[in-house]
Amino acid sequence: EAGVTQSPTHLIKTRGQQATLRCSPISGHTSVYWYQQALGLGLQFLLWYDEGEERNRGNFPPRFSGRQFPNYSSELNVNALELEDSALYLCASGQGYNEQFFGPGTRLTVL
Amino acid sequence: QQQVKQSPQSLIVQKGGISIINCAYENTAFDYFPWYQQFPGKGPALLIAIRPDVSEKKEGRFTISFNKSAKQFSLHIMDSQPGDSATYFCAATTSSNTGKLIFGQGTTLQVKP
Repeated sequence: EAGVTQSPTHLIKTRGQQATLRCSPISGHTSVYWYQQALGLGLQFLLWYDEGEERNRGNFPPRFSGRQFPNYSSELNVNALELEDSALYLCASGQGYNEQFFGPGTRLTVL
Repeated sequence: QQQVKQSPQSLIVQKGGISIINCAYENTAFDYFPWYQQFPGKGPALLIAIRPDVSEKKEGRFTISFNKSAKQFSLHIMDSQPGDSATYFCAATTSSNTGKLIFGQGTTLQVKP
């Protein structure tokens, strides 16, 4: 069974630009979760999508947004990038019962 | 009240020894407690998880001990191996469908040969 996949692996942007990160869940999973893992801050919950709808968002500004497509894949958009947005962005998928399975992440560097 | 406090921050254990990582929480609504293992450059991998209706769960060399009254849970790695060297995260969430895992700060484990 294929795991969660994320693309790109690495992304380098400059301040003020927009970044788009993509995630494909495990087959059969309808929920996609996004987390930010910044140095020294641990894993912070960003967004939860289920059945195409945003179900919950963490304590992040509105310039962090995303969507889930009919095939349950998802993308995370970060607008007006700031230096502190540099982090590993992790996507997880699940199908009820709280289990979340993570992908390898996208390393975003903002210069 | 949403925090999960994890200790120690780092741990060095000899091969064959027992590694113990502890977590504490405040929110009594938490009812699902997973542990994740993360190697450098990789995403966290779900290792083992427990719900509050049991006090202990074992999978291979990994055991979760859960103390509901103390609001604490811990991961024990028996017969620790160099391949276990990684960062371990505890987490907690509720079944109230927030989708949100609250993570501890992580423990970097080094198992010396």
